[in-house]
Amino acid sequence: GAGVSQSPSNKVTEKGKDVELRCDPISGHTALYWYRQSLGQGLEFLIYFQGNSAPDKSGLPSDRFSAERTGGSVSTLTIQRTQQEDSAVYLCASSLGGGGQSTGELFFGEGSRLTVL
Amino acid sequence: AQSVTQLGSHVSVSEGALVLLRCNYSSSVPPYLFWYVQYPNQGLQLLLKYTSAATLVKGINGFEAEFKKSETSFHLTKPSAHMSDAAEYFCAVSGGYQKVTFGTGTKLQVIP
Repeated sequence: GAGVSQSPSNKVTEKGKDVELRCDPISGHTALYWYRQSLGQGLEFLIYFQGNSAPDKSGLPSDRFSAERTGGSVSTLTIQRTQQEDSAVYLCASSLGGGGQSTGELFFGEGSRLTVL
Repeated sequence: AQSVTQLGSHVSVSEGALVLLRCNYSSSVPPYLFWYVQYPNQGLQLLLKYTSAATLVKGINGFEAEFKKSETSFHLTKPSAHMSDAAEYFCAVSGGYQKVTFGTGTKLQVIP
């Protein structure tokens, strides 16, 4: 696609339910990032993929959060047993990846707004 | 390892005044440096980037930043603030095979 695509754009769920957020990066981009942005807050790093592996998942807040990436492309962020404090905008970004001619410039999606009631 | 420090989580300037947002970085490899902007209720977009060519980088909407290796800085400036510049600005560093690292952001308020 032309840009980073995220779905759903908005998700309202009840406390305790599981949610899946999807990110479709720019074709050919090997690096993929997930960030969380709570109301009025800055960017909170969650996880970084290089290809299908995640060299850095240090930002995942708890074991309720997990992410996977398949085929070096689409990524899914899963939040189990959602809590109200999980309410935030979840941003995905992709880049050509590190090394070589890549500068690491990130291209962001529009985000998925999650509201946990 | 790399890191970014943005001094001042909130900056207020009068319309027409100079905008100066500070960013200092550390990196064990030659860095690439970026400024991203997030307007209210919008996603992040690239404002400008330093990729080891010219040390003075010009971006969109009249912003520019200067890479100063000796000071490990990449401050963002604009000679005259406009109301439409009110947004949150993020500095970021990348390099080698390391992941991109963001600063904590600076919210710019422009006072009429």
